[in-house]
Amino acid sequence: DAGVIQSPRHEVTEMGQEVTLRCKPISGHNSLFWYRQTMMRGLELLIYFNNNVPIDDSGMPEDRFSAKMPNASFSTLKIQPSEPRDSAVYFCASTIYGTGFTYEQYFGPGTRLTVT
Amino acid sequence: QKEVEQNSGPLSVPEGAIASLNCTYSDRGSQSFFWYRQYSGKSPELIMSIYSNGDKEDGRFTAQLNKASQYVSLLIRDSQPSDSATYLCAGSGGGADGLTFGKGTHLIIQP
Repeated sequence: DAGVIQSPRHEVTEMGQEVTLRCKPISGHNSLFWYRQTMMRGLELLIYFNNNVPIDDSGMPEDRFSAKMPNASFSTLKIQPSEPRDSAVYFCASTIYGTGFTYEQYFGPGTRLTVT
Repeated sequence: QKEVEQNSGPLSVPEGAIASLNCTYSDRGSQSFFWYRQYSGKSPELIMSIYSNGDKEDGRFTAQLNKASQYVSLLIRDSQPSDSATYLCAGSGGGADGLTFGKGTHLIIQP
């Protein structure tokens, strides 16, 4: 079975540019999470969706960050405008939300973002 | 604020020995706990989940949870060089909530 798919795997952009990261969750999973990992702060939750609805976006650092999930198989995380401090690895994870499930989250390969 | 604390290491263990990794958490409302393994440059890989007080065993791995002490641990028996990685402890409030991660413990298995 295909795991969580993320694209692009690497992104290098200049400060001020718009960046869009993409994620396809595991088929059948209905909860999707965006995390960011840096050496200084570790792995942090940015936002998560249940059944395509955003549940908690308190981890989104600034209004420059936005996330959407237009359908069950696709989500985007957008940064506009990007800044050098946004440089990090961005992970998407998914799980099944519902009674009787374990809520184990499975991570995609990540997008390594470098903003110069 | 929810926090998960881990010793960053490195923790060095001889091959074949038991590696013991520990984690404490601040939020008494946390219900579910997870251990992930992360190799350098790779994504976190789920190893174990634990939801109830006590021990849970899966192959060479044993997770232990003590909610009264707010303490979670992971034991790796018969440690192999391939176990060398960073181990991340994470907790959640239960259900499909976001995870709060510790910063990880860097484990080195010496051949």
